[in-house]
Amino acid sequence: GQNIDQPTEMTATEGAIVQINCTYQTSGFNGLFWYQQHAGEAPTFLSYNVLDGLEEKGRFSSFLSRSKGYSYLLLKELQMKDSASYLCAVWDSNYQLIWGAGTKLIIKP
Amino acid sequence: GAGVSQSPRYKVAKRGQDVALRCDPISGHVSLFWYQQALGQGPEFLTYFQNEAQLDKSGLPSDRFFAERPEGSVSTLKIQRTQQEDSAVYLCASSLAGEVSEQYFGPGTRLTVT
Repeated sequence: GQNIDQPTEMTATEGAIVQINCTYQTSGFNGLFWYQQHAGEAPTFLSYNVLDGLEEKGRFSSFLSRSKGYSYLLLKELQMKDSASYLCAVWDSNYQLIWGAGTKLIIKP
Repeated sequence: GAGVSQSPRYKVAKRGQDVALRCDPISGHVSLFWYQQALGQGPEFLTYFQNEAQLDKSGLPSDRFFAERPEGSVSTLKIQRTQQEDSAVYLCASSLAGEVSEQYFGPGTRLTVT
């Protein structure tokens, strides 16, 4: 079956760095997305990786290793507004987006 | 420009009632997706349209669920004879192209079946 695993919840301190991991087993791979979702709101796009390596975009970076079925989202200089759920999603061979359950990130002052 | 809009934002239905949820995608977006999201879970794929063609409906949980996009823009997700397990947020997303591309999500419709 298809499976995406990410931690349920993480806590970090304002100004610090946090890494949210995602591992996947899917039928085929056409790319991996990270989305941010604030409570009660729709997911918003953060990043897309299809090749191995690190993609940096401001305070957020996303890494992919296709051979390991592994990705992480790195958030630097954490701000209180970064408190949200972070969803990992993989585009499988049928171009269907398979979603993880999300990691709830709690930022403490 | 305008993003993806959905209506109603909230819907309360009595068990057994039919409901219709509307999605207005971003103008010009070819692809449209419907997802169901339970509390504390990631979205679950329901169905996918490319223009007016429904290319994948493998995620629809039962034959009570029906979606259409007759003119390739606005889409409606209909749920017949609602059950309590249908209570969830229904998200619509659109993307510019049919291949892998960023999906833009609407605010969702929170359906509560009592």
